[in-house]
Amino acid sequence: KAGVTQTPRYLIKTRGQQVTLSCSPISGHRSVSWYQQTPGQGLQFLFEYFSETQRNKGNFPGRFSGRQFSNSRSEMNVSTLELGDSALYLCASSSSSGGASNEQFFGPGTRLTVL
Amino acid sequence: AQSVAQPEDQVNVAEGNPLTVKCTYSVSGNPYLFWYVQYPNRGLQFLLKYITGDNLVKGSYGFEAEFNKSQTSFHLKKPSALVSDSALYFCAVRTGANNLFFGTGTRLTVIP
Repeated sequence: KAGVTQTPRYLIKTRGQQVTLSCSPISGHRSVSWYQQTPGQGLQFLFEYFSETQRNKGNFPGRFSGRQFSNSRSEMNVSTLELGDSALYLCASSSSSGGASNEQFFGPGTRLTVL
Repeated sequence: AQSVAQPEDQVNVAEGNPLTVKCTYSVSGNPYLFWYVQYPNRGLQFLLKYITGDNLVKGSYGFEAEFNKSQTSFHLKKPSALVSDSALYFCAVRTGANNLFFGTGTRLTVIP
């Protein structure tokens, strides 16, 4: 099976712009989670989607949003970018049941740089 | 609230020696515990997990972890370290409907 894919891999934006990141989960996986990784804050949970519904949400401002499509692909959007949004954004998928005991499989990430 | 602590930012070990990467957790309820590894410019790779049952869990690449409920710990171990084990290791915990919560990571360096 193909792994989790994320596009684009690298992105450079300027403050105030918006950005959309894409994630394709492993085939058959219906749960998709997003994380932000920075040197200072580590790995922080953004949100989780299961069958097109947001199931969990982390403690991020409303500028961060996401959605999931019927084929389980997911997108996250960040509006009005700030310098502090520069980070590696990781997407992870887990099996169809999406239960808490299921391990997550991570994509390679999208490296976002905000200038 | 749930939390995970990895008390050591950096662990150095000589090749061939046993290694331990420490993790303690705090949760309400029964925890699901995970270890992930991250190599440079890569996403996280799943190593092993504890759900229930045997306290010693075996995972990928010869790693194992011991769940200790009384000490609320889930330390990662390997009997003989390899240079290729050098990477960033994350412990994570999840309970029920909550999200996966990660520790701050421990950088393991195996010295040839």
